[in-house]
Amino acid sequence: GESVGLHLPTLSVQEGDNSIINCAYSNSASDYFIWYKQESGKGPQFIIDIRSNMDKRQGQRVTVLLNKTVKHLSLQIAATQPGDSAVYFCAENPSGNTPLVFGKGTRLSVIA
Amino acid sequence: NAGVMQNPRHLVRRRGQEARLRCSPMKGHSHVYWYRQLPEEGLKFMVYLQKENIIDESGMPKERFSAEFPKEGPSILRIQQVVRGDSAAYFCASARQGTNTEAFFGQGTRLTVV
Repeated sequence: GESVGLHLPTLSVQEGDNSIINCAYSNSASDYFIWYKQESGKGPQFIIDIRSNMDKRQGQRVTVLLNKTVKHLSLQIAATQPGDSAVYFCAENPSGNTPLVFGKGTRLSVIA
Repeated sequence: NAGVMQNPRHLVRRRGQEARLRCSPMKGHSHVYWYRQLPEEGLKFMVYLQKENIIDESGMPKERFSAEFPKEGPSILRIQQVVRGDSAAYFCASARQGTNTEAFFGQGTRLTVV
């Protein structure tokens, strides 16, 4: 079946460095993607989204890159801070009236 | 503008009891999604509802589970005759439109079946 997966289950980054979290998706028809951040005991928090007609989108300290050729999505966090420590999920919205499909998540640990 | 509100935050039920989880979407949002999450795992889709309609319930078990989103009031996820395997975090998300739009999550209800 269709699925969204992540390359790395855990990522440790030094405070101040940049973080890159990767995601592979398998549904070539997906045309909308979202990155969520989930802190312990809390609900997923919307970070940034991107539509399939774009390759790159920037927010505050975050950038999402979409490579439709290889069906790959990445989240870049600049100058990673301790408050960035969380589990990050990518989610895809297959075309049509369908719900978001989530990957398993990557745990980001920021080392002070 | 309040976010998605879920209650209760924590719910303990004995095996065989019923669990009712409530979700009030953000103002102006008429699309609600329910997801289930086990520890250290991703979110698994359960059901997608619009006001008074179930759009997609492909992720919801056929027995014991039901969901509604009435014209007035919150969306309800109901689990009858709970078993230990139902213990999980249940998250609700709401969106203004059904597809290709931002979906915002509540803080979840953590159900523990003892």
